[in-house]
Amino acid sequence: SQQGEEDPQALSIQEGENATMNCSYKTSINNLQWYRQNSGRGLVHLILIRSNEREKHSGRLRVTLDTSKKSSSLLITASRAADTASYFCATDARAQKLVFGQGTRLTINP
Amino acid sequence: EAGVTQFPSHSVIEKGQTVTLRCDPISGHDNLYWYRRVMGKEIKFLLHFVKESKQDESGMPNNRFLAERTGGTYSTLKVQPAELEDSGVYFCASSQLTGASNEKLFFGSGTQLSVL
Repeated sequence: SQQGEEDPQALSIQEGENATMNCSYKTSINNLQWYRQNSGRGLVHLILIRSNEREKHSGRLRVTLDTSKKSSSLLITASRAADTASYFCATDARAQKLVFGQGTRLTINP
Repeated sequence: EAGVTQFPSHSVIEKGQTVTLRCDPISGHDNLYWYRRVMGKEIKFLLHFVKESKQDESGMPNNRFLAERTGGTYSTLKVQPAELEDSGVYFCASSQLTGASNEKLFFGSGTQLSVL
């Protein structure tokens, strides 16, 4: 069974709006990472948050982590057309390998 | 610095044929991973090399899949014979540190495999 599950599966918003994606996981983790995949490209690492952190920022990205609820959220502020992509959370539930969810497909409409 | 490269980018084969995918990791990266994404579902782990040794191959679907990493450089993933359910995008990723669970992965663009 998959460790990470992203919600929603698809999200469509207008350019300039904020986009929020959620990730839930099942087992204890040391850290959680978010990746982005543009169509036809590989996954690109966005941000890592450790289990003892509650919030982390990187540019227009804000990630939160609630280990009591086993969930994380990724907020993209002031969205742009270039943010259109699939977003995946990944956890280190198994030693030395990341476990991914099925992703959230984000579409930014001009 | 070159990133992770995968070849081919696309492959269309018939059921029963053999296909070999190649991955060149970032130079100096000891860790090499293969992942697969089928039909928009989750990205599933296949196996992990540390240098030329298979560290974890628990995600390999069955014995039709064979991965090698001769000399600890590039890796190949062979599917023989291919079945319809093998269709999907095969990603390769590499990383530098061994045993570091907080290390980010560098991914290739993937090979889109279609088995007809």
